[in-house]
Amino acid sequence: AQRVTQPEKLLSVFKGAPVELKCNYSYSGSPELFWYVQYSRQRLQLLLRHISRESIKGFTADLNKGETSFHLKKPFAQEEDSAMYYCALRETNTGNQFYFGTGTSLTVIP
Amino acid sequence: EAQVTQNPRYLITVTGKKLTVTCSQNMNHEYMSWYRQDPGLGLRQIYYSMNVEVTDKGDVPEGYKVSRKEKRNFPLILESPSPNQTSLYFCASSLGGRPYEQYFGPGTRLTVT
Repeated sequence: AQRVTQPEKLLSVFKGAPVELKCNYSYSGSPELFWYVQYSRQRLQLLLRHISRESIKGFTADLNKGETSFHLKKPFAQEEDSAMYYCALRETNTGNQFYFGTGTSLTVIP
Repeated sequence: EAQVTQNPRYLITVTGKKLTVTCSQNMNHEYMSWYRQDPGLGLRQIYYSMNVEVTDKGDVPEGYKVSRKEKRNFPLILESPSPNQTSLYFCASSLGGRPYEQYFGPGTRLTVT
């Protein structure tokens, strides 16, 4: 069963515009949610995790348990934000299995 | 330099010919994992290991084997590869207490004909 859904395969926004990458999950326990990013010619890397509630590179993501969502947001997109973004869930029951979404390719248009 | 290395980076093989993809990390990480990436399916976890001699199945373990005899190495073994295992494979490692902070390898593109 798909545990993490990213409905948008491709997303384009203009520089300076707000951006939101959607992520929904299905999990019966208390999940840990993360966003990973892969910039062109770089390796996949952790962007942020819901527990830390921090802003990284201007991005934030809030876990909404009622809507089972973990959308990634940034108020003003920059060209360097163009990348592939993956939402991921870590099972807390077993502790260490990860489920990734299918990814959203973000393009910021100058 | 802290890194995760994979070998080979590219491999074309035939159905049924056993192969091993190696993964090595130099960061003394406890947690290591293998993923496959397929178009439209994202990354799917194959196997993971919490430490030496401790391995567990991920979401798609069928057709794969792993071993963790040393902390730094986590090879992925395909005993009898089939065309549906054609994919891009990633190894990742992290500290045991922070499994989410995964350092990913460069990827191995495998084609099984």
